[in-house]
Amino acid sequence: EIVMTQSPATLSVSPEERATLSCRASQSVRSNVAWYQKKPGQAPRLLIYGASTRATGIPARFSGSGSGTEFILIIRSLQSEDSAVYYCQQYNNWPMYTFGQGTKLEIK
Amino acid sequence: EVQLVESGGVVVQPGGSLRLSCAASGFTFDDYTMHWVRQVPGKGLERVSLITWNGGSAFYADSVKGRFTISRDNRENSLYLQMNSLRTEDTGLYFCAREKDRLVDYWGRGTLVTVS
Repeated sequence: EIVMTQSPATLSVSPEERATLSCRASQSVRSNVAWYQKKPGQAPRLLIYGASTRATGIPARFSGSGSGTEFILIIRSLQSEDSAVYYCQQYNNWPMYTFGQGTKLEIK
Repeated sequence: EVQLVESGGVVVQPGGSLRLSCAASGFTFDDYTMHWVRQVPGKGLERVSLITWNGGSAFYADSVKGRFTISRDNRENSLYLQMNSLRTEDTGLYFCAREKDRLVDYWGRGTLVTVS
């Protein structure tokens, strides 16, 4: 099973600043990585797929990059509503897809 | 608008059984593979099971294999998860989700299962 490791576990950033979230795969997953946002009481929302393609309706403040084993999610101009847990997921090894353990983003 | 609404989560004793349901709307249900994914306290998201569009194939996480059964009713636009021999480690928030081209793109809000 491919292990996805996210860092940091918790991130606290001021409004209007930039947050950088990392995700590492235990083996190459090419560009088959997605990022999801999860807020309490809400359904997880797909942000990024194919490592760098924004999903429908996702603002340009969200960007993803990486391939192989190293992936990054950057959120620019942070707003209070960006407070959430963010998960990366590899779907290269379908149907044995796996998630990272999540990064909790707090807006100061 | 794609909507997925889970139901059936309750408090159940270890060894008990439970059936989760997911009502789908806003898309052609039988065009899609459907998933159950759970959020376990302190452990993040974990895939549980998936079923192809016609129910012809199903996959299970090793942790639930032999205990859980996924099914679907395309006439009723519904997805199900029969959970038997429940363990405390099955406690979590269970999400129904839609897959398109290997990508899980829409999720429900989840239903809470507590095994205690």
